Amino acid sequence: DTGVSQDPRHKITKRGQNVTFRCDPISEHNRLYWYRQTLGQGPEFLTYFQNEAQLEKSRLLSDRFSAERPKGSFSTLEIQRTEQGDSAMYLCASSLETAHYGYTFGSGTRLTVV
Amino acid sequence: DQQVKQNSPSLSVQEGRISILNCDYTNSMFDYFLWYKKYPAEGPTFLISISSIKDKNEDGRFTVFLNKSAKHLSLHIVPSQPGDSAVYFCAARALLSGAGSYQLTFGKGTKLSVIP
Repeated sequence: DTGVSQDPRHKITKRGQNVTFRCDPISEHNRLYWYRQTLGQGPEFLTYFQNEAQLEKSRLLSDRFSAERPKGSFSTLEIQRTEQGDSAMYLCASSLETAHYGYTFGSGTRLTVV
Repeated sequence: DQQVKQNSPSLSVQEGRISILNCDYTNSMFDYFLWYKKYPAEGPTFLISISSIKDKNEDGRFTVFLNKSAKHLSLHIVPSQPGDSAVYFCAARALLSGAGSYQLTFGKGTKLSVIP
């Protein structure tokens, strides 16, 4: 296992279109997180899964955003009716239990809404 | 309300000298503090952490100091190397209420440039 994989690495979309990102966590990690990073900011928490259950959602996650983790393996993050303010790096991370080393992050998906 | 603050957006240091990156926090419920390193076009990579009950943790060239009374931590890199040039994020861990896991809150980052 080579770590957390995210696909695609880059996505350019027109405003109003829907986009979907995929994250494949480290296989033995049961916890999966989505973060968003905008220019000049640190990563901001979006949502958290333990196995297939979505246990926490940030208020940053508007109703245009939906995340799933079917069967507790890979996860998808969908943004409907994209807006220019959605342009950001979307980071996925996974962890095993509550390790004090934090999470292992993927390389992210950079979304540009034009 | 920013709970984790890194007030220096950038820092330049000569190769071989010490780099000191600072971080302040406001939430007393944070139980672990972590430093991540990020290169362009990559995700953050874990570097070192410290429990809130400790005041120092060392790993090779990297040492993190925690001053709980001042709600302040710092990362020392000695000696600094050109390969250390990256953005460094301070992060703090707090329990997600009712979710059985933890959330990391990040600062805005400090861009470290180590000059050969």
